[in-house]
Amino acid sequence: QVQLVESGGDLVKPGGSLRLSCAASGFTFSDYYMSWFRQAPGKGPECVSYISGSGTNIIYADSVKGRFTISRDNAKKSLYLQMNSLRADDTAMYYCARFPRNPEGWGRGTTVTVSS
Amino acid sequence: DVVMTQSPLSLPVTLGQPASISCRSSQSLVYSDGNIYLNWFQQRPGQSPRRLIYKVSNRDSGVPDRFSGSGSGTDFTLKISRVEAEDVGIYYCMQGTHWPFTFGQGTKVEIK
Repeated sequence: QVQLVESGGDLVKPGGSLRLSCAASGFTFSDYYMSWFRQAPGKGPECVSYISGSGTNIIYADSVKGRFTISRDNAKKSLYLQMNSLRADDTAMYYCARFPRNPEGWGRGTTVTVSS
Repeated sequence: DVVMTQSPLSLPVTLGQPASISCRSSQSLVYSDGNIYLNWFQQRPGQSPRRLIYKVSNRDSGVPDRFSGSGSGTDFTLKISRVEAEDVGIYYCMQGTHWPFTFGQGTKVEIK
């Protein structure tokens, strides 16, 4: 059974950094594209980035390009999101998901709050 | 960006009655591989989004068969044949064909 567990969210000041992690189990992690979604309070979800199984194909939403970096460690079955230069509008619940085009396996998410 | 327009945005339904949500995309969702990456999600209060339907009409494992998806081109529909109390929540359509992937505004289903 696919299981994804996000962690690393916190309260951070504007301009600060955070690294989110997503631990995967129940499937052959390296075979799958993975993605990060976020959902701001009271809003619909947004896909911020995805990465191919090998890590060679990466794409970002314009809203995070140049500030966020997605990566993965297939040996550790983990997905990461390095978030720099955080802004108030990055405040959201962050989820990882398998199959970016048909995202499944959403975990409970991890909360990122950017506030002074 | 592809705009996904859902209607209605609010859907009060009587228990046991059918419900239908429409989702229209601003352009065709046929991908170069021939697939249509149109998904439906359910988000119950306080919970994470849960995929119900993928590629227009494929129901996820464990999803009750009262949920069905249909459509083609730019018009898609999620139907609930008989609404149950556990169906309360917000339903989103999402296209995964064109980057950036985009979601509809959400339809809030509530019991009358």
